[in-house]
Amino acid sequence: NAGVTQTPKFQVLKTGQSMTLQCAQDMNHEYMSWYRQDPGMGLRLIHYSVGAGITDQGEVPNGYNVSRSTTEDFPLRLLSAAPSQTSVYFCASRGSSANSYNEQFFGPGTRLTVL
Amino acid sequence: GENVEQHPSTLSVQEGDSAVIKCTYSDSASNYFPWYKQELGKRPQLIIDIRSNVGEKKDQRIAVTLNKTAKHFSLHITETQPEDSAVYFCAASTGSNYQLIWGAGTKLIIKP
Repeated sequence: NAGVTQTPKFQVLKTGQSMTLQCAQDMNHEYMSWYRQDPGMGLRLIHYSVGAGITDQGEVPNGYNVSRSTTEDFPLRLLSAAPSQTSVYFCASRGSSANSYNEQFFGPGTRLTVL
Repeated sequence: GENVEQHPSTLSVQEGDSAVIKCTYSDSASNYFPWYKQELGKRPQLIIDIRSNVGEKKDQRIAVTLNKTAKHFSLHITETQPEDSAVYFCAASTGSNYQLIWGAGTKLIIKP
């Protein structure tokens, strides 16, 4: 299993540009999330999905869109990049079972710089 | 909603000594409490977790304790080694949609 994969690893954008961060998992996990991590800070939830076709907003959703057309893929779109979106972005996935928890696995991260 | 506070933000201990990181949570319905370790430039990885029906769990040099009455849980690392240097995050479940709410992290420094 490749686990959770993310592309690209690094990206530099100019203000106003749009782009999509890719995330895929091969563990058949129902639950997927996107986080951003700013220097010296914790993890802040952007968007999450509890299954194909279902997405919801997290703590900091503004400026980002997501979709979940398949169980495997959960892309994150930056609509019009701003310097405040400079951060490291982590995708994560977890299997689900009623009233229980399973380990959340993180991808390797995408380091995004917006100039 | 759930809120998780983590202390201290930085902890420096001598190699071989013990380290303790504490988290408090606000939602009494929370029932799952994982701890993640993040090395510099790497992804967070689960090191230990505990569920609300258990008071303590150990895995070699690391242990987690949970006090449901006081709504706090702690990570204990004994006989610290240089490879324990990292940022440690605690988290708690919301209980409603199984979201994890994260603490702000503790930077653990092991002094030789």
